[in-house]
Amino acid sequence: EAQVTQNPRYLITVTGKKLTVTCSQNMNHEYMSWYRQDPGLGLRQIYYSMNVEVTDKGDVPEGYKVSRKEKRNFPLILESPSPNQTSLYFCASSLGPGQDYYNSPLHFGNGTRLTVT
Amino acid sequence: RKEVEQDPGPFNVPEGATVAFNCTYSNSASQSFFWYRQDCRKEPKLLMSVYSSGNEDGRFTAQLNRASQYISLLIRDSKLSDSATYLCVVNRGTGGFKTIFGAGTRLFVKA
Repeated sequence: EAQVTQNPRYLITVTGKKLTVTCSQNMNHEYMSWYRQDPGLGLRQIYYSMNVEVTDKGDVPEGYKVSRKEKRNFPLILESPSPNQTSLYFCASSLGPGQDYYNSPLHFGNGTRLTVT
Repeated sequence: RKEVEQDPGPFNVPEGATVAFNCTYSNSASQSFFWYRQDCRKEPKLLMSVYSSGNEDGRFTAQLNRASQYISLLIRDSKLSDSATYLCVVNRGTGGFKTIFGAGTRLFVKA
């Protein structure tokens, strides 16, 4: 089954304790992206990746890191989480450049609900 | 001003009603357009792409007006199961391959 898998689904942590949210897709997509969703603000892009070893900032990258060492995986790293990073996070993937990217819809993971106390 | 703007609603309609959602975008370099549906606390799912000539999928019709930078979604014969949040989504053509989401329009369909 074609899917984007995120883990964990729920995470409660304390300020400053490093954490990683994993994301994996099995559709051979080149493009992967992370979003956070907050009430009234909609989904905002954190980081995206056009291909292996190619990453770029979205609109709200502060406090986050990503890596893309393999095509299928795109983990989101919070080195020192703070309460303002409490949010619902989504990973998504789609076809990349040269594959009709602009007309390719995003496939989302189930989301990770993060609470930082 | 947000790059993609939607009326947040909520829209409360009876079953069988026709309801229309509007969306405007500010970046004229935007390349492609979509409507997504999101149920409460779940991941967004593609409802339909939006093409310049307009397109229809069953009870759903999407329109794009590039000159006015305006996108619409029409839902005919509303069902209870149409209750959800509808997200207007734009792929920006310059400044990186970025996808911009509207904040969403909430729809409640009641019996």
